[in-house]
Amino acid sequence: EAQVTQNPRYLITVTGKKLTVTCSQNMNHEYMSWYRQDPGLGLRQIYYSMNVEVTDKGDVPEGYKVSRKEKRNFPLILESPSPNQTSLYFCASIGDTGELFFGEGSRLTVL
Amino acid sequence: SQQGEEDPQALSIQEGENATMNCSYKTSINNLQWYRQNSGRGLVHLILIRSNEREKHSGRLRVTLDTSKKSSSLLITASRAADTASYFCATGGRGDKIIFGKGTRLHILP
Repeated sequence: EAQVTQNPRYLITVTGKKLTVTCSQNMNHEYMSWYRQDPGLGLRQIYYSMNVEVTDKGDVPEGYKVSRKEKRNFPLILESPSPNQTSLYFCASIGDTGELFFGEGSRLTVL
Repeated sequence: SQQGEEDPQALSIQEGENATMNCSYKTSINNLQWYRQNSGRGLVHLILIRSNEREKHSGRLRVTLDTSKKSSSLLITASRAADTASYFCATGGRGDKIIFGKGTRLHILP
């Protein structure tokens, strides 16, 4: 089954404790992206990657890092999380026809 | 920066009625997509319309695109309770940043 898998789905952490949200897709897609979703603000792109070792900033990259060492994986790294990074995070990959395939989301709370 | 802006922000209609949502965008596009999101879940792709298309159908969905007005509409006919969700338009694609609007919350009343 074609899917995008994110982990963890839920996480409560404290300010400053480094964390990684993993994302994996099994569709051999080149393009992957991270979004955060906040009430009243919709989805905002954090980072995207057009292929292995190729990443670029989206609209809200501050406080985040990404890496793309393999085509299937695109982890999101919060080196020193802060409360304003409390949000619902989505990973997505883009297919040949241009449609996005989303993971189920990772709800992060930073205390 | 927000490219697509949906209108209205929220919409409540009776089951069986048609629901229409609109999306406006600012710059030229290659295609426009519509997505559905059930509460707190991942977005699901509904339909993609290319810039050289004016109308597209998929089941009970009808999407129109007016590039001269930089706007698109999504019509859901004969609405059902299961259509209760948030609907987003998105512009951009492979090689571009994909930007989503803030969404329309649709509530289907029994």
